[in-house]
Amino acid sequence: SQTIHQWPATLVQPVGSPLSLECTVEGTSNPNLYWYRQAAGRGLQLLFYSVGIGQISSEVPQNLSASRPQDRQFILSSKKLLLSDSGFYLCAWSENRGTEQFFGPGTRLTVL
Amino acid sequence: KQEVTQIPAALSVPEGENLVLNCSFTDSAIYNLQWFRQDPGKGLTSLLLIQSSQREQTSGRLNASLDKSSGRSTLYIAASQPGDSATYLCAVRNSGGSNYKLTFGKGTLLTVNP
Repeated sequence: SQTIHQWPATLVQPVGSPLSLECTVEGTSNPNLYWYRQAAGRGLQLLFYSVGIGQISSEVPQNLSASRPQDRQFILSSKKLLLSDSGFYLCAWSENRGTEQFFGPGTRLTVL
Repeated sequence: KQEVTQIPAALSVPEGENLVLNCSFTDSAIYNLQWFRQDPGKGLTSLLLIQSSQREQTSGRLNASLDKSSGRSTLYIAASQPGDSATYLCAVRNSGGSNYKLTFGKGTLLTVNP
């Protein structure tokens, strides 16, 4: 069966510091991968989408970037965090475009 | 631009009651619709996926219906239990080139009281 992992589970970072969140998927190959952010009082917002290694689509212009160095690894990064980057970051995968998405446990990021 | 609304925002019911959660969307040209459950501080758990050609899907005590032309879906939970307490999220996937993208509602917070 497929499993999706995210780490760290929680993170507290000062404004201006760098960020690296990692997501890995097990039990499947060539998944479509997604990064979402869930901010208080707002719905889930799609940040990045990837159909393969090195192929990243950005949905929202922002202070963040994503990379996919391996087939089942998806990384969310920032060079300098802003207060507005605080939120709950969720990674998800699907077999193909338009098919059921499955979510990881999330990373709670607090920027102080 | 697709917009998804969930009503009510919060619902509290006694254990054993049957209940309905509502989801509406503005653009009826959808590919499919997915219902999720989210426990506090946790990720999302997929409950049901309904394709645009389907009218309903069932899983255990859950039944989701879809009326694409009117832009509505409902999630019916039978014989509710305290363990059903969570936030329920509806998400739609549009047809066409953006069919990878889910647009989420803000959810309904369900509390089932023992």
